[in-house]
Amino acid sequence: EVQLVESGGVVVQPGGSLRLSCAASGFTFDDYAMHWVRQAPGKGLEWVSLISWDGGSTYYADSVKGRFTISRDNSKNSLYLQMNSLRAEDTALYYCAKSTIVGATTPPFDYWGQGTLVTVSS
Amino acid sequence: EIVLTQSPDFQSVTPKEKVTITCRASQSIGSSLHWYQQKPDQSPKLLIKYASQSISGVPSRFSGSGSGTDFTLTINSLEAEDAATYYCHQSSSLPPWTFGQGTKVEIK
Repeated sequence: EVQLVESGGVVVQPGGSLRLSCAASGFTFDDYAMHWVRQAPGKGLEWVSLISWDGGSTYYADSVKGRFTISRDNSKNSLYLQMNSLRAEDTALYYCAKSTIVGATTPPFDYWGQGTLVTVSS
Repeated sequence: EIVLTQSPDFQSVTPKEKVTITCRASQSIGSSLHWYQQKPDQSPKLLIKYASQSISGVPSRFSGSGSGTDFTLTINSLEAEDAATYYCHQSSSLPPWTFGQGTKVEIK
């Protein structure tokens, strides 16, 4: 059974930093690109970042570019999101999600985690 | 950036009724359009990929159609468990891979 379990969400002050993790199981992790998608409270979905299966390619939404860094450790079946210079508008539930097709970087996403809540507030 | 506009934003529907949700892209995206269902306090679930391809385990009352800029998600014979917010999502070309704003379906 495929499982994606996010962790690391907390309350952090504006300007602060945070690292989110996503532990993957039930599939061959290093075959698939992985993504972070966020959802502000009561709002819709926003794609945040992508990392290819081997970590060689990364992309970011303009709203987080230069502040967030996506990475992965295939030996640990884990995905990460380093979040720096956090702003109030980064407050959201952060999901990790798996690309559907082996080797492909694009959506759709066939599995999602349950999300981890990041709150940026003083 | 490709903008996806869904309509309607909200729909109140009686059980067994047919539901149609549309998604319009700001430029042609071929068939690179996917649909998700998100129930309250749950993660999104993939319903339809590449405009019309069904997903294993998803009830057959869910179907998708369209190409280019105009797409439709149809729910035939709505059931109470289908109360949710539905999102379209495009994967055309390079990121960002945007989502529509969502359509909330309520059961009367």
